[in-house]
Amino acid sequence: NAGVTQTPKFQVLKTGQSMTLQCAQDMNHEYMSWYRQDPGMGLRLIHYSVGAGITDQGEVPNGYNVSRSTTEDFPLRLLSAAPSQTSVYFCASRGRRGGSSTDTQYFGPGTRLTVL
Amino acid sequence: RKEVEQDPGPFNVPEGATVAFNCTYSNSASQSFFWYRQDCRKEPKLLMSVYSSGNEDGRFTAQLNRASQYISLLIRDSKLSDSATYLCVVNLVAGRRALTFGSGTRLQVQP
Repeated sequence: NAGVTQTPKFQVLKTGQSMTLQCAQDMNHEYMSWYRQDPGMGLRLIHYSVGAGITDQGEVPNGYNVSRSTTEDFPLRLLSAAPSQTSVYFCASRGRRGGSSTDTQYFGPGTRLTVL
Repeated sequence: RKEVEQDPGPFNVPEGATVAFNCTYSNSASQSFFWYRQDCRKEPKLLMSVYSSGNEDGRFTAQLNRASQYISLLIRDSKLSDSATYLCVVNLVAGRRALTFGSGTRLQVQP
């Protein structure tokens, strides 16, 4: 199993540009989520999904869109990049159907995004 | 008040020392608790889950105090390789299965 994969690993954008961060998992997990990590702030939840076709907002959703058309993929779209979105983005997945709240959450390697 | 709070450290300890981290959480209905480890510029990885009765994994011991709403992590006989940031993680909202992360406590083990 590849686990959770993310692309790209690094990205530099100009203010106003849009882009999509890709995330895929091959563990048949129902639950997927996107976090951003800023110095001293810990990981903050952007959006999450409890299954294909179902998404919901997390703690800091503004400026981001998500969709979940398949179990495996959960892309994160930046609509119009701003310098405040400079961060490290982690995708995570967790739990098969019927799993529990104690299921391990697995993270991708992260995407380091800089917005100029 | 943050939902999950940790002392950011850094904790600088010599090899062989015992070190303990605490973490407090805000929601008394929280169901699941974890410690994750994060190395510099890497993704977080599960260190251990925390069970109500407390649990041990080698040199690591985790405990949960529901009455006071905190969890702890004890590391015995610290190794250089234990240097990392330790994240306290809580499933705050039953049924939603979204994890809330503390900001992390940085540990530096020195030779």
